[in-house]
Amino acid sequence: EVQLVESGGGLVQPGGSLRLSCAASGFSLRHYWVHWVRQAPGKGLEWVANINEDGSERFYVDSVKGRFTISRDNAKNSMYLQMNSLRVEDTAVYYCVRGGGWILDYWGQGTLVTVSS
Amino acid sequence: DIVMTQSPDSLAVSLGERATINCKSSQSLLSSSTNKDYIAWFQQKPGQPPKLLIYWASTRESGVPDRFSGSGSGTDFTLTISSLQAEDVAVYYCQQYYGAPITFGQGTRLEIK
Repeated sequence: EVQLVESGGGLVQPGGSLRLSCAASGFSLRHYWVHWVRQAPGKGLEWVANINEDGSERFYVDSVKGRFTISRDNAKNSMYLQMNSLRVEDTAVYYCVRGGGWILDYWGQGTLVTVSS
Repeated sequence: DIVMTQSPDSLAVSLGERATINCKSSQSLLSSSTNKDYIAWFQQKPGQPPKLLIYWASTRESGVPDRFSGSGSGTDFTLTISSLQAEDVAVYYCQQYYGAPITFGQGTRLEIK
């Protein structure tokens, strides 16, 4: 069974940092692009970042450039999102998503990040 | 950035009736090299992550009921549910993957009339 399980969310003060992890099972992550998509409470979906199969290509939405870093460890079948200089507006559920290229074909259940003083 | 605009924002349809959701992109999503439209549709039920329904504008994901269909090309696209079932109550999103950043429509809330 294909599974993506996010972890690392929680409450952090503005300006703080968090590292989200996503563990894949039931398939080999090395064959896929992986993405992070977030959803603020009661709001729509916002794509955050992606990384290709070998980590040589990465893209980010403008609002997180220079603050967030996406990475992956194919040997551990995992991906990560390092989030620095967090802002109140980064508060959201963060979903780890498998991509058939840029087709977002399988989503994790999400992890909640709350940025608040 | 490519802006995706859905209409309507919310929709109430009777059980068994047709539901139609529209999505307009700010630039063409049709690639001249692949002759494919780079748009997908998702369904999100309360408390759940989104689920992929349609990609390449009209290709149904495996396991998705055939009452769901996608159509359109270029800048104008439609998701149609041919005969609404109670379990189709959800928010639906269109999404373009023509270029970075990937962008979503604002969502359409579908309810039972």
